[in-house]
Amino acid sequence: GENVEQHPSTLSVQEGDSAVIKCTYSDSASNYFPWYKQELGKRPQLIIDIRSNVGEKKDQRIAVTLNKTAKHFSLHITETQPEDSAVYFCAASRGSSYKLIFGSGTRLLVRP
Amino acid sequence: EAGVTQSPTHLIKTRGQQATLRCSPISGHTSVYWYQQALGLGLQFLLWYDEGEERNRGNFPPRFSGRQFPNYSSELNVNALELEDSALYLCASSLEGARTEAFFGQGTRLTVV
Repeated sequence: GENVEQHPSTLSVQEGDSAVIKCTYSDSASNYFPWYKQELGKRPQLIIDIRSNVGEKKDQRIAVTLNKTAKHFSLHITETQPEDSAVYFCAASRGSSYKLIFGSGTRLLVRP
Repeated sequence: EAGVTQSPTHLIKTRGQQATLRCSPISGHTSVYWYQQALGLGLQFLLWYDEGEERNRGNFPPRFSGRQFPNYSSELNVNALELEDSALYLCASSLEGARTEAFFGQGTRLTVV
């Protein structure tokens, strides 16, 4: 069945360092890959997404890369700040006629 | 514009009872998703409704069911509640199925005692 694996489950970095979270998907028909950030007690919110026709997308300090051959995608956060501390979820979907499957989440802690 | 709204915010039920959770999507969104988030765990896909039809369901027993109304709002029903059903239930809506951004509601915290 469809599955999205996410690593690591927890990540602790020093403020200013970079953080990388990796996900692997099993469904080769997946073509939409969003990343959500969930702060404690709040709802998940989209921070960046990528579609299968591009290999990389950047938005200020956040970037996502996609390797379709290897079926994995990664979230890169540069110059981390304490407010980046949250749980991050990756997800994958085939598109409009299919469901969104989430990874198990990564708890990121940015130490001041 | 209002976001995705869920009610109630908190719900306490006794084992064996039934729970009904409600979700109103963003205006214009036809797809509604339900996810279960147990404490400290990830988002487990429950159900997906689009245009009033159930499009897909996750690996949950039949006592988890729901429906989508003509105004695209949705209801999640959980029958014969078990202690393990205690979790945050999140609803999300999107404009074009699972290929555009899904916006989440604030969730309903269900506690089964």
